[in-house]
Formats: sequence, structure tokens, C-alpha cells
Amino acid sequence: GNSVTQMEGPVTLSEEAFLTINCTYTATGYPSLFWYVQYPGEGLQLLLKATKADDKGSNKGFEATYRKETTSFHLEKGSVQVSDSAVYFCALRYEKLTFGTGTRLTIIP
Amino acid sequence: EPEVTQTPSHQVTQMGQEVILRCVPISNHLYFYWYRQILGQKVEFLVSFYNNEISEKSEIFDDQFSVERPDGSNFTLKIRSTKLEDSAMYFCASSEVGTDIETQYFGPGTRLLVL
Repeated sequence: GNSVTQMEGPVTLSEEAFLTINCTYTATGYPSLFWYVQYPGEGLQLLLKATKADDKGSNKGFEATYRKETTSFHLEKGSVQVSDSAVYFCALRYEKLTFGTGTRLTIIP
Repeated sequence: EPEVTQTPSHQVTQMGQEVILRCVPISNHLYFYWYRQILGQKVEFLVSFYNNEISEKSEIFDDQFSVERPDGSNFTLKIRSTKLEDSAMYFCASSEVGTDIETQYFGPGTRLLVL
């Protein structure tokens, strides 16, 4: 079946540090890939998505590239801010949405 | 910006009781979903709903669960006789269409605690 594996947390970084959260997937077909973010006390919000191989999704300084050869969709940001503290979920959609376990990110001033 | 809303935000119930979780999807969306997240575990798909019927359900979604769109705006998840292991955060989501490239928009969740 389809599955998503993402970096275990929690991850703690200083402000302006470089962020990478790893995500790899297993799928029988050609899924769309998503990163969702959950800020404290809120629901899941779409952060970015990519619908085919080599697509790059980007939003709010975050980027992720759909890599079919490595079945990966790693999330990156060049300089994180305190306001980026949240839980990040990698997900794939092939008929239904399948999520990773989530990575809690805390940014320290 | 339109958003998915859910009520209540928290619900505490006794084992064996029925609960109804409510969702108001985004108004022009046609596809509706329920997911749940047991504390510390993955977000899991429960069910999808389109055109007034279930289009897909997971093995979690057994006879204890049911969904309904009782009017033009609400989408509900009913758990008939709650068990301790039903304690989780329940998320409702909606999308305009049902294709794989389409974004699903999520509500803030209802935290259910079964005692």
C-alpha cells in the first residue's frame, strides 16, 4: 500500500537557521505530494504541493521538489523564523490522502 | 478566505455513548472527508463522501461510524457507541473536485476524549 515516512521530531533550530525535513514515500502509482502545516490550536493548512515528477512547490519561503528517482519530497527553508514553529505533515494523494507522522518544529529566537 | 469549520472543538464522552461531530465544509466544495489522528500517531483517512453517498472508506470506518449531509451545509460524523480507542482528534476536510491534484482543505479538528 501507499505510505509516507518523514523525519522524526521534534526538531529545534535557532532563528535564521536552514531547515530540512525529510520525507520519502512509497506508492503504487503516480501520486500528488503535499506538505501541510498545523500551527498550535489550528487545523491542517496546505503549505505547498507538487503534482508530478520534478515539480517544485513553494510557499512562504518553503520549497520541496518531487523527486521520483529517490521517491522523496523533502521540505526546505533557507532561514526559519519563530513564527514557523508548528507541526509539519508530508502527505501523498493517490485516490486518498496518506499522511506521515508529522514533525514538530520549534524555532528559538 | 473561506474555511472549513468544525464543532465542538472538544468533546468528552463516556464509553458506549453516541457522539456526533459536525463540520461545515467550504460552500462550493463537493467532496467531503473525515480523518482522525490518535495522539502521537499518523493522521488516518476514515471516509470520503460525494453526491450524498460514501465514495471510499477505510477499514477503520466500521459499522459504528456513519456520515451524513443532513442539509446543504453540514457534514456530520456519528460514532454510535464510543470505545476508549476512539479518543483522537477528528479532522473534516473538503475539496472542490475529487482528483488527486486537488487540494483538500481541513478544519481545525474536534478533540474527542472517551472515558
